[in-house]
Amino acid sequence: EAGVAQSPRYKIIEKRQSVAFWCNPISGHATLYWYQQILGQGPKLLIQFQNNGVVDDSQLPKDRFSAERLKGVDSTLKIQPAKLEDSAVYLCASSSVAGAGETQYFGPGTRLLVL
Amino acid sequence: SQKIEQNSEALNIQEGKTATLTCNYTNYSPAYLQWYRQDPGRGPVFLLLIRENEKEKRKERLKVTFDTTLKQSLFHITASQPADSATYLCALYNQGGKLIFGQGTELSVKP
Repeated sequence: EAGVAQSPRYKIIEKRQSVAFWCNPISGHATLYWYQQILGQGPKLLIQFQNNGVVDDSQLPKDRFSAERLKGVDSTLKIQPAKLEDSAVYLCASSSVAGAGETQYFGPGTRLLVL
Repeated sequence: SQKIEQNSEALNIQEGKTATLTCNYTNYSPAYLQWYRQDPGRGPVFLLLIRENEKEKRKERLKVTFDTTLKQSLFHITASQPADSATYLCALYNQGGKLIFGQGTELSVKP
């Protein structure tokens, strides 16, 4: 089965510009996650979707970050305007169901550098 | 809030030896703990899950232990190979059902 797809793989922008990342989860997976991974740290959850509804966005900086999953499949994460501290790898993951103990499958990530 | 600590320093071992990585957690008693492997430029890959009522779990050359009294999990790779070189992440589900990751330990296996 195909894995989680993400694009672009790399992005370099200047501060105050906007950027968008795209994710296509594993077919049939209802739950989709966006994580931020800063160099030297573990992934940190930004937002979790169940189908096209938001389950948890408590750690999403809503003044600049937004995410959507309109048809319950693909998802887009946007940053506007970007700050230097947003430089990180943005990982998308999916799982067949939501719940403690469920295995999450990660995409390769988008590496963002904000100058 | 829940906190996970892993060995912050890289672990360097010789091929054929057993690598042991440590994961300590505080302020929570998770029902599940997971270990992931992450290679440079790639996303984490799930390796093993251990439940709170399981003391030990094995998969091929991998072994995970879970001591809920010490609030610690140990991850062992026996007969290590250079291909095992990667960063290993410990993760637990918090009370809200959110997966919390440690910072990871970088393992380097020298031939």
